[in-house]
Amino acid sequence: DAMVIQNPRYQVTQFGKPVTLSCSQTLNHNVMYWYQQKSSQAPKLLFHYYDKDFNNEADTPDNFQSRRPNTSFCFLDIRSPGLGDAAMYLCATSRVRGVSYNEQFFGPGTRLTVL
Amino acid sequence: DQQVKQNSPSLSVQEGRISILNCDYTNSMFDYFLWYKKYPAEGPTFLISISSIKDKNEDGRFTVFLNKSAKHLSLHIVPSQPGDSAVYFCAASASGSARQLTFGSGTQLTVLP
Repeated sequence: DAMVIQNPRYQVTQFGKPVTLSCSQTLNHNVMYWYQQKSSQAPKLLFHYYDKDFNNEADTPDNFQSRRPNTSFCFLDIRSPGLGDAAMYLCATSRVRGVSYNEQFFGPGTRLTVL
Repeated sequence: DQQVKQNSPSLSVQEGRISILNCDYTNSMFDYFLWYKKYPAEGPTFLISISSIKDKNEDGRFTVFLNKSAKHLSLHIVPSQPGDSAVYFCAASASGSARQLTFGSGTQLTVLP
């Protein structure tokens, strides 16, 4: 089945220790998104790749970086995690062409704990 | 400034009755609206959508209504089933972008048997 896969599902890191979350997709979608969701809050977009073009949201902290080495994979790097970065991180994909309307498909998320 | 708002954090309904989940938005550039369902420890799953050129879209037990003048949309589930118990997120996007979604904060629906 075509899907969005996130690894690991649960990640524990120490304060200040870099961590990388990964996302892969078999849908061949051209856009990949990273969202952060804290408890009882709306998922918040951090950045997205439209094909190879990286687009950062204005209020995404510099601590967060992303890489997309090919169509299928996208990584979220947190350079120096703070306690406030503990959250669920959701990866999503979509096929976007022009003004098309298309839903986003989400992975199961990675729950990040910062000790 | 929340551009998409779900003012009811929770809703309980009896099995077999109608569930109505509401969502308001402020950005008049939004032209596509979606509802997602989320179970614990899973990612959101797409449920139903509507574009701004329509005022209603129906898919089985799920119907979404859009009132553009009021900047309001609602999701109706009828009849409600215990398996519908989940968090429901309303989301919106605008054209001329990568269709980034702006989400509401969600409504926890509990369907009581």
